[in-house]
Amino acid sequence: DAGVIQSPRHEVTEMGQEVTLRCKPISGHDYLFWYRQTMMRGLELLIYFNNNVPIDDSGMPEDRFSAKMPNASFSTLKIQPSEPRDSAVYFCASSFGEIQAFFGQGTRLTVV
Amino acid sequence: KQEVTQIPAALSVPEGENLVLNCSFTDSAIYNLQWFRQDPGKGLTSLLLIQSSQREQTSGRLNASLDKSSGRSTLYIAASQPGDSATYLCAVNIPGANNLFFGTGTRLTVIP
Repeated sequence: DAGVIQSPRHEVTEMGQEVTLRCKPISGHDYLFWYRQTMMRGLELLIYFNNNVPIDDSGMPEDRFSAKMPNASFSTLKIQPSEPRDSAVYFCASSFGEIQAFFGQGTRLTVV
Repeated sequence: KQEVTQIPAALSVPEGENLVLNCSFTDSAIYNLQWFRQDPGKGLTSLLLIQSSQREQTSGRLNASLDKSSGRSTLYIAASQPGDSATYLCAVNIPGANNLFFGTGTRLTVIP
C-alpha cells in the first residue's frame, strides 16, 4: 500500500476563496482523522470518522470548516471562505481500530 | 483535558552520543502512547507504540518507556546518527476518545 495520500501537497489561495483538501486512507483502515499543525498550537485533531461516519467534530474551529467521507477510500476537508489564520499544515491519518495511526505527507495551506 | 509536554524543545548532540527525550502527560488514564518522527516538510512516521499495559518497546536503536503512574515517557536513542535529526513528537490516546493528544515536540540535531 502506498500509505495515506493527500492532495494537493501545497495550496496557496486568496482570502475568501474555497479550499478543498483531499485524502485517500490506507485500504482496509476504518478510522480517518484530520489534523491541523501550526507553530502556535502544534497538532490538533479537527475531526475523525469511523466507517465513513463522522464521530467527533468538536475540533473543527468554525462553521467555515466541513469534512466529508463519501466512501471508505476518500475524504475531503473544505474551508469556505478561507482566511489567513487558516494557514497551516493539514494532515490526514488513518488507522485500523484505535491502534496505530498512519499519517499522510500533509497539505501546506497558505491563505493570502 | 489531557496536556502533553516535551522537554527539551530542541537538542543538539554530537554523532555517536546516546540521548533521551522526555514526554509528560497530565492524565494517567491513557490507552496508549506513541512516539513519532517528523522530518521538515513531511508527515509523521510512527516509531513506537506502547500500550497502557506495557512498560517499554524497542525498535533497533530506539527504546521507549512508559510510566503511567507518574505520567512520563522517555525515548532513548542509542549511538545517534546525523540521519536521526528530526522533530520527535509524543502523543497519547485516551480511552473512548480516539484522539491523539500531541506534545509540541523536541527538535533533534545530530552533528556529524
